[in-house]
Amino acid sequence: DTGVSQDPRHKITKRGQNVTFRCDPISEHNRLYWYRQTLGQGPEFLTYFQNEAQLEKSRLLSDRFSAERPKGSFSTLEIQRTEQGDSAMYLCASSSEAGVDTGELFFGEGSRLTVL
Amino acid sequence: TQLLEQSPQFLSIQEGENLTVYCNSSSVFSSLQWYRQEPGEGPVLLVTVVTGGEVKKLKRLTFQFGDARKDSSLHITAAQTGDTGLYLCARSQGAQKLVFGQGTRLTINP
Repeated sequence: DTGVSQDPRHKITKRGQNVTFRCDPISEHNRLYWYRQTLGQGPEFLTYFQNEAQLEKSRLLSDRFSAERPKGSFSTLEIQRTEQGDSAMYLCASSSEAGVDTGELFFGEGSRLTVL
Repeated sequence: TQLLEQSPQFLSIQEGENLTVYCNSSSVFSSLQWYRQEPGEGPVLLVTVVTGGEVKKLKRLTFQFGDARKDSSLHITAAQTGDTGLYLCARSQGAQKLVFGQGTRLTINP
């Protein structure tokens, strides 16, 4: 399977713990996006990378959140000192330059976080 | 903040019926995308519309872009249980990222 893969698919943690999610994009895609989706809502933009450069961060991304894409390939999203309000599905997507123009993002299956 | 308003938020109908869902904004789109998301999966692109008044068909799904490029509709003919899912419209913002509506959750009952 050469699609976008995310790991882990599910994570249950206690409030105050740190969690890290990994995303492996489609290999030839230079753009990588992180979105958050809560129940009954559409995906909300968090941040995106072009190659290894993080070009935009949403105000939703508080100081407890950090994302990296060190070699322009896979990316990690870390949440420190988790809160119950962080419970959500974290979606990763990738696109080519042409895909951005047509709005075609390829999404992974998401990492579902539950904070107890 | 969602810039796109989708309606209805929930829709439950019987197999074989027709339905239309809507996506509206107060601002003009350069293009608009429709995605479908099934439970436990990420969204998958169905179509992109670009030109005002454009109509695109994908089997039983018909997508229309408003003349003023501020609204769009998705019409499904003879709905099937496999059409069940969350239908999301999205638009590019700053040519860098997509912004999504809150979605229409569609349930087709057998």
